[in-house]
Amino acid sequence: QQQVKQSPQSLIVQKGGISIINCAYENTAFDYFPWYQQFPGKGPALLIAIRPDVSEKKEGRFTISFNKSAKQFSLHIMDSQPGDSATYFCAASDDYKLSFGAGTTVTVRA
Amino acid sequence: DTAVSQTPKYLVTQMGNDKSIKCEQNLGHDTMYWYKQDSKKFLKIMFSYNNKELIINETVPNRFSPKSPDKAHLNLHINSLELGDSAVYFCASSLRGSPPQHFGDGTRLSIL
Repeated sequence: QQQVKQSPQSLIVQKGGISIINCAYENTAFDYFPWYQQFPGKGPALLIAIRPDVSEKKEGRFTISFNKSAKQFSLHIMDSQPGDSATYFCAASDDYKLSFGAGTTVTVRA
Repeated sequence: DTAVSQTPKYLVTQMGNDKSIKCEQNLGHDTMYWYKQDSKKFLKIMFSYNNKELIINETVPNRFSPKSPDKAHLNLHINSLELGDSAVYFCASSLRGSPPQHFGDGTRLSIL
């Protein structure tokens, strides 16, 4: 049973465009929501994370938006670059146990 | 300097064999994890250790046995390998109370 639902499965964006990935959860005990970036042949790398008392967090071109009442959160990649082409995973944590979304493969076309 | 290192990177073996994967972290973290990533890239936790104590043990066949000789190392031994064990296994680490922050580059296990 997947505790975090992620969409879309894949997306293609032009260089300079905005990539948006959405996630939803049911477990209200989750208290930490990280996003990971994974390149082929590599392990996931922590990209950005948010706690439920904050509605938005921005780090460079990456922004998390969090809607606690709707139990949804999303990742926005602004000014997408070819180097951003990777698989992105949202996750939710209850203490130190992470539940991952199914991943979104982002392809940025030059 | 590799933060979380796993060996081997690739492991190809026959069904029924026993194999081990080793993991070491040099970040000073006290919690380590094993994750399995299937062919559809879905990541699922298998085990977690904090200071050599098992704290997470998901529904994993008992053919899988983790061992933590010290808080910087977490190994995974798999007995009687089956075709369904083919996957990429990731080691990760963090400080207690925090989710995994650093992952290794994975061990791709292929069962023939």
